[in-house]
Amino acid sequence: AQSVTQLDSQVPVFEEAPVELRCNYSSSVSVYLFWYVQYPNQGLQLLLKYLSGSTLVESINGFEAEFNKSQTSFHLRKPSVHISDTAEYFCAVSDGRGKLIFGQGTELSVKP
Amino acid sequence: GAGVSQSPSNKVTEKGKDVELRCDPISGHTALYWYRQRLGQGLEFLIYFQGNSAPDKSGLPSDRFSAERTGGSVSTLTIQRTQQEDSAVYLCASSLLAGTSGRANEQFFGPGTRLTVL
Repeated sequence: AQSVTQLDSQVPVFEEAPVELRCNYSSSVSVYLFWYVQYPNQGLQLLLKYLSGSTLVESINGFEAEFNKSQTSFHLRKPSVHISDTAEYFCAVSDGRGKLIFGQGTELSVKP
Repeated sequence: GAGVSQSPSNKVTEKGKDVELRCDPISGHTALYWYRQRLGQGLEFLIYFQGNSAPDKSGLPSDRFSAERTGGSVSTLTIQRTQQEDSAVYLCASSLLAGTSGRANEQFFGPGTRLTVL
């Protein structure tokens, strides 16, 4: 069975500081990995995804994640965060057959 | 429509009553998914449809939960004899196809229905 673990439930950080949100997964089959973001009072949006090819994937707003098969990780990073990045971030895995298995979420709180 | 829509946005009901939650997927998307998000927790998969059939309903928590999809479009999630533990945000998502890699498997989420069972 597949599972996803997000190691930090809350991450407080100051504006312009770097941040890393950790995600580990377990799966016995090929995986497709996703990060979704949920801004306050908004719906879930896809931030970035790893399907195949380059293990480093980037989003349009400066986040990146690296698929590490040996460590079964897909950590999300940003070198300098903004107040507007305050949101809840969910890591998810799919086996390609349909459903997504989500982690518990990490609440990123960016302070001025 | 432009995105996935869900109705109602909020539903308050009394324990023991039945509720119906509706999802309207993005036009042309053949796959439709239901998830549940309880307070302070991640999303739990409930069921997904490819067309009108449900290849995976393994996440439905009990036989009080059922879902159907007609015409390959709108889906309804029904909860019978609601219990307080059913209180959650119910999210619907759709994708172009299910069971494939690449863009086709990207799921787009609706705003959710917040269900409160008193």
